Amino acid sequence: EAAVTQSPRNKVAVTGGKVTLSCNQTNNHNNMYWYRQDTGHGLRLIHYSYGAGSTEKGDIPDGYKASRPSQENFSLILELATPSQTSVYFCASGDPTGGGEQYFGPGTRLTVL
Amino acid sequence: QQQVRQSPQSLTVWEGGTTVLTCSYEDSTFNYFPWYQQFPGEGPALLISILSVSDKKEDGRFTTFFNKREKKLSLHIIDSQPGDSATYFCAASNTNTGKLTFGDGTVLTVKP
Repeated sequence: EAAVTQSPRNKVAVTGGKVTLSCNQTNNHNNMYWYRQDTGHGLRLIHYSYGAGSTEKGDIPDGYKASRPSQENFSLILELATPSQTSVYFCASGDPTGGGEQYFGPGTRLTVL
Repeated sequence: QQQVRQSPQSLTVWEGGTTVLTCSYEDSTFNYFPWYQQFPGEGPALLISILSVSDKKEDGRFTTFFNKREKKLSLHIIDSQPGDSATYFCAASNTNTGKLTFGDGTVLTVKP
């Protein structure tokens, strides 16, 4: 059973529209992360959370918001989507006290037209 | 300034050969170094990791080496198999924050 799931798996949005990407984890990890991955690049951290109700800015937060309503769920919100946000988005959960491992979901491919 | 540099960008080896991937990093506070393996259409999966208190960790055909003085690490895959063909990422973090910084990845192709 997948411990980190993401929905939707694929999304096509229009420029200026609002997009919400959802992530659910059953690992009972305190920390959750959102990354984007572009061709030829590694993963870049957008937002992360230390627990329910907390969100922190990562390395590339501009144009994105995050929401952590519960231990299990972490959402990434694009209020006004732009074509430059076309990418593959990965959610992960982790517990730094356990050594730092992060466990990734299968990704969401977002295309903004 | 890229904090984690990975090389090569791509690599082809023959089945049965040894693969060597390398990374270097800038931030001296990094103390945890995982390697992730990613197949097309999937999320990255943890392959092996090492803490800065160690200089070597082995798991089957996979070994990671860490050199604190030179701020370098490497991943060695012995007896490489076509099923090892994937993109490999090194990453680094400080275990106090849990924030991972990734390299740009190496695309490995193992030819039969």
